[in-house]
Amino acid sequence: RKEVEQDPGPFNVPEGATVAFNCTYSNSASQSFFWYRQDCRKEPKLLMSVYSSGNEDGRFTAQLNRASQYISLLIRDSKLSDSATYLCVVNPSLGSWGKLQFGAGTQVVVTP
Amino acid sequence: DVKVTQSSRYLVKRTGEKVFLECVQDMDHENMFWYRQDPGLGLRLIYFSYDVKMKEKGDIPEGYSVSREKKERFSLILESASTNQTSMYLCASIVTNTGELFFGEGSRLTVL
Repeated sequence: RKEVEQDPGPFNVPEGATVAFNCTYSNSASQSFFWYRQDCRKEPKLLMSVYSSGNEDGRFTAQLNRASQYISLLIRDSKLSDSATYLCVVNPSLGSWGKLQFGAGTQVVVTP
Repeated sequence: DVKVTQSSRYLVKRTGEKVFLECVQDMDHENMFWYRQDPGLGLRLIYFSYDVKMKEKGDIPEGYSVSREKKERFSLILESASTNQTSMYLCASIVTNTGELFFGEGSRLTVL
């Protein structure tokens, strides 16, 4: 079993619609969680950190469910420019960044 | 604007050749990483450096070595390239108090 798992998609989303997807992680002691966005043939860039209480940044909402060991990302009012692959990143260690675990990514395609 | 710069975007090498991939960051970060990214597998850590001249093996160090002689520069070396090392290589550095990774644009290596 992979340490961090994501549905690869693609999630085909009409412009203006809402899309949500999850990322499950295997280590219950994981400390910090992130969503990165990666455009085609580009490097990943931080979209948002995921906090225990959940957090929102404009049209993006991230949630953490420690009991079920997953994080989620919801995109409201999807734009064509939201088309990308979304990577889930989990840090299972406290005090060290050398063990970051990456999901393989969820592809989102927003269509006109 | 913060920056991680990788020396080569695209390389084509022959089996058995020695390959150097260089990475420079201008953010004075202590921690730097080399990952490879392959479809369906996500990012996998090759090596991690937490200080000058300090390094730790990641998940897939076989066939690779690294060098960190200066804080801003982290080099990845393939002593004898093989076809299974054809991949996208991503260098990153991290803001340790937030966990935000900054990636270079990537080096796409093809080994023939």
